[in-house]
Amino acid sequence: DAKTTQPPSMDCAEGRAANLPCNHSTISGNEYVYWYRQIHSQGPQYIIHGLKNNETNEMASLIITEDRKSSTLILPHATLRDTAVYYCIVRVYTGNQFYFGTGTSLTVIP
Amino acid sequence: GAGVSQSPSNKVTEKGKDVELRCDPISGHTALYWYRQSLGQGLEFLIYFQGNSAPDKSGLPSDRFSAERTGGSVSTLTIQRTQQEDSAVYLCASSQGGGTYTGELFFGEGSRLTVL
Repeated sequence: DAKTTQPPSMDCAEGRAANLPCNHSTISGNEYVYWYRQIHSQGPQYIIHGLKNNETNEMASLIITEDRKSSTLILPHATLRDTAVYYCIVRVYTGNQFYFGTGTSLTVIP
Repeated sequence: GAGVSQSPSNKVTEKGKDVELRCDPISGHTALYWYRQSLGQGLEFLIYFQGNSAPDKSGLPSDRFSAERTGGSVSTLTIQRTQQEDSAVYLCASSQGGGTYTGELFFGEGSRLTVL
């Protein structure tokens, strides 16, 4: 049970911001939200994670709603190399399992 | 290298044969995961090792699948009597674990299994 819901696919124009939504309405107070991406034929790559505050790193920003039931991953200036499947994951507290859903397939269009 | 290493990168086998897939995690990482990804699908959790604790085998799809981790390092995923539906990319990941919430997973490039 992935515990998250994401749109199956999205398009974004090159150079524009890509905003990828994720619903996690059953998230528990001590569960983090993680984002990974998988470029074709490669292993998934960590992007960012957060608990309740917004987070930013060199790759992306993560915006988590106040009730923590949803979040948005923002790629501020999408490039063609950002074309990938993006996974939103809620980390289960008991144990360290990461359950990946089917993710959002983002296509950056020239 | 410093990353997660998996072998073989590609394996073609006949239905009914046994296969072994190997994962060499990042040195010092106590947590190790196996996932399976069928063509066009998301990642399916298989098994998780954390230090000397009993592994979490809740994702193994059948008793034909087993995994072990020797000496807290290298792991082997074994599939007995392979079936065509076992064809997939098998991904291994490791992390520092230790029950922290900030453990980032580092993935290998996967082993692509094709069962004829």
